[in-house]
Formats: sequence, structure tokens, C-alpha cells
Amino acid sequence: AQSVTQLDSQVPVFEEAPVELRCNYSSSVSVYLFWYVQYPNQGLQLLLKYLSGSTLVKGINGFEAEFNKSQTSFHLRKPSVHISDTAEYFCAVSMNSGYSTLTFGKGTMLLVSP
Amino acid sequence: DAEITQSPRHKITETGRQVTLACHQTWNHNNMFWYRQDLGHGLRLIHYSYGVQDTNKGEVSDGYSVSRSNTEDLPLTLESAASSQTSVYFCATGDSSDTQYFGPGTRLTVL
Repeated sequence: AQSVTQLDSQVPVFEEAPVELRCNYSSSVSVYLFWYVQYPNQGLQLLLKYLSGSTLVKGINGFEAEFNKSQTSFHLRKPSVHISDTAEYFCAVSMNSGYSTLTFGKGTMLLVSP
Repeated sequence: DAEITQSPRHKITETGRQVTLACHQTWNHNNMFWYRQDLGHGLRLIHYSYGVQDTNKGEVSDGYSVSRSNTEDLPLTLESAASSQTSVYFCATGDSSDTQYFGPGTRLTVL
């Protein structure tokens, strides 16, 4: 079985500051990793994903994440955040089979203030 | 553009009534999923399907059922609605890389 831990339930930052949202996972098999963003009263939108290859993955809206197999981590970063990045961010893992369900973390609320 | 639609977007019902939430996708994906989202619990998987006539139970399936008669639709039925089933429900489809695409959600209130 897999599990995902998002270490921070809430991260407050000021506009134009850098941010890192942390995600650790546990799995006994190879995994695919995902970050999703959820704006208020909306569904989840895919931000980026790691399937294989380069461990640094770039996504939409200037976000990137780095897969670290030895640390079992997949932290999300952005060098300079905007007010519009205020949202909830979910990390998820699957067993990379094409028939796998996703296991989600409990989410991190990013609060960007002026 | 391919999309997922959910209906209704908002629903208020009474305890004990049967409720069906619709999910329709034009992605042509075989994999479809239903989740519920509650404060403090994140997203929890209710049921999922890997193709027509295939259904599987998720983490929190008690009190819910699904049926898959075609590729496009996976309706979720609450047999006898309970107040504990007040939640936001999301439908999703999945491709061969396990990437899932989510609908806009249905907010269900059971009084």
C-alpha cells in the first residue's frame, strides 16, 4: 500500500516570495507522482507529474517539482508567487501500472498575501 | 475539447432518499473514479471502474453504488442518503499514465 504525507496543512507567504510545498510518499514499488491544484469551489487541476526520466519536472503557472527517490520526496516549488496562486495543493501517488488508483495527501493550503 | 461534466452541481435531499449523481466524460477514457472531499479528510475514493461492466469498491464505498453501461458515464447512487454523506463529490477519468482529470464537483447536502 502507498501513502502520501503533506507536512504542512497551511503555508502563508507574501507575494513575490519563493515557496516550497513538501510531499513525502511511501511505496514498495515504483511510482508515478502528481501535484494537483484546487481553486475555491472548483475541481482539481493537474499542475505537473513525474512518470520517468528527468527528476526535475516543470508544470503550469511557473511551478516545478523534484523527484528524490532516496528521500522519497516530491516537493513543489515556485520562485515567486502571485496572489492568484492562493489555492489548495494536493500531492498524489500511483503504482505506475495504467490501472492504478491515486492516493492523495490531505492537501496544503497556500495563502499568498500582498 | 474533451471534458467531464457532473450534474447536478448542487443538491439538497432528505435522509433516507435515493440520490443519483451523474458523471459524463468525452475523454474516451476507460478508467473512471468517484471521490468525496471533506474537511480534514482530503479526497477519499468511493468507487472506480476500468471499463464497461467493471466496477470496484474504494476506501469508503458503504452506502454507495455505481454501474458502468457505457464508456462515457459512471453514475453514483446513494441507496438511502444519510447526513454523514453530506459532502462534495468529484468524478474523474484516468488515462494510461494514471493521470486523472476531474469534473467540477457536486455539492450534496443531506438534511
